[in-house]
Amino acid sequence: AQKITQTQPGMFVQEKEAVTLDCTYDTSDQSYGLFWYKQPSSGEMIFLIYQGSYDEQNATEGRYSLNFQKARKSANLVISASQLGDSAMYFCAMREPTGANNLFFGTGTRLTVIP
Amino acid sequence: GAGVSQSPRYKVAKRGQDVALRCDPISGHVSLFWYQQALGQGPEFLTYFQNEAQLDKSGLPSDRFFAERPEGSVSTLKIQRTQQEDSAVYLCASSLVSQATYSSGNTIYFGEGSWLTVV
Repeated sequence: AQKITQTQPGMFVQEKEAVTLDCTYDTSDQSYGLFWYKQPSSGEMIFLIYQGSYDEQNATEGRYSLNFQKARKSANLVISASQLGDSAMYFCAMREPTGANNLFFGTGTRLTVIP
Repeated sequence: GAGVSQSPRYKVAKRGQDVALRCDPISGHVSLFWYQQALGQGPEFLTYFQNEAQLDKSGLPSDRFFAERPEGSVSTLKIQRTQQEDSAVYLCASSLVSQATYSSGNTIYFGEGSWLTVV
């Protein structure tokens, strides 16, 4: 079973508007971490935001916020006031305490910001 | 350096050739990961080091893939007798802590990747 599911292969948003990128996850652990990364065409995976499973408040980092709904196992990324430079692939990922502590990634969402 | 550094950025190899990809993690980071990212896909885990110890190599696709981190800092991913299906971006990542503690300090930082094309 997929640990991370991103159901939106591509999204478009008008510049200066907000956009939500969906992510659902699957785990039986109580402790885990959720991450969002941005990957521009250059290839680097840029860390955006982190949410711990025990964090009671939704994480925010500048224009990025994470809408964490634990019961629904969803961790959607909200980007406010979109900019042209936000056009990129966005990956949701989860880290569990067992095994190698590595990240499990979704298939990504390609976001295109329209001027 | 300030970030994770990988070299070469681009490599074209003839099928059957051996390649070596280098990763220089963020200074002081205990954990080091290698991921493989095929075109249009998310990264897939290959292997994990805690300092110089390779604690998990369950993601390595075949025995042609080998990774080392002899002094607990720089790591090399070696692919022997490359095949066309090895064409991918190979991403190296590091994190400060060795356990999955749940704080922002546990963030995994990635390099820009080594783009391998096997022809």
